[in-house]
Amino acid sequence: NAGVTQTPKFQVLKTGQSMTLQCAQDMNHNSMYWYRQDPGMGLRLIYYSASEGTTDKGEVPNGYNVSRLNKREFSLRLESAAPSQTSVYFCASSESDRGNNEQFFGPGTRLTVL
Amino acid sequence: AQSVTQLGSHVSVSEGALVLLRCNYSSSVPPYLFWYVQYPNQGLQLLLKYTTGATLVKGINGFEAEFKKSETSFHLTKPSAHMSDAAEYFCAVSVIAAGNKLTFGGGTRVLVKP
Repeated sequence: NAGVTQTPKFQVLKTGQSMTLQCAQDMNHNSMYWYRQDPGMGLRLIYYSASEGTTDKGEVPNGYNVSRLNKREFSLRLESAAPSQTSVYFCASSESDRGNNEQFFGPGTRLTVL
Repeated sequence: AQSVTQLGSHVSVSEGALVLLRCNYSSSVPPYLFWYVQYPNQGLQLLLKYTTGATLVKGINGFEAEFKKSETSFHLTKPSAHMSDAAEYFCAVSVIAAGNKLTFGGGTRVLVKP
């Protein structure tokens, strides 16, 4: 089992460019999440998908969109990148959206917006 | 809404010494509490979690944490630090009414001195 995989690992964008971060899990999990990690701020939830076909906003959704393509895949899109979106992005998954479920994290995508 | 405060963004310990990482949370309903560890350039990995029942929770790699409701705390300890414990540690909270959305503290980076 690969667990949670993310592509790409690194990306440099210019302000205004767009890109999509890809995430896939092979654990048959129902729920998936996107976080961003910034120094001193821990991880903050951008969007989540409680189950296939549903998505909802987290704490910091502005400037992002998501697509739950199927049960395995959950992508994050930046339509017009801004320097404030320079961050490390983590995808995670869990068996369900019950609050006591462990979340499994991918290795992250380090994004720099110039 | 929930919140988590981790006291000390950096902690330095000697190999063999006690590791103590502090976490205080705020929640109006019973919380689920988690400690995650992040090794350099990797995703997060669950160390331990408290959901219900026994308030002293044992996790991987010799770590344990105690849920103290009266103090709204969930401090992480390990009796004897090892060089391999050098990493960043995150405390997180979720509640049953909010799905499995995690709110993270700012993180504590642990340095282990030989």
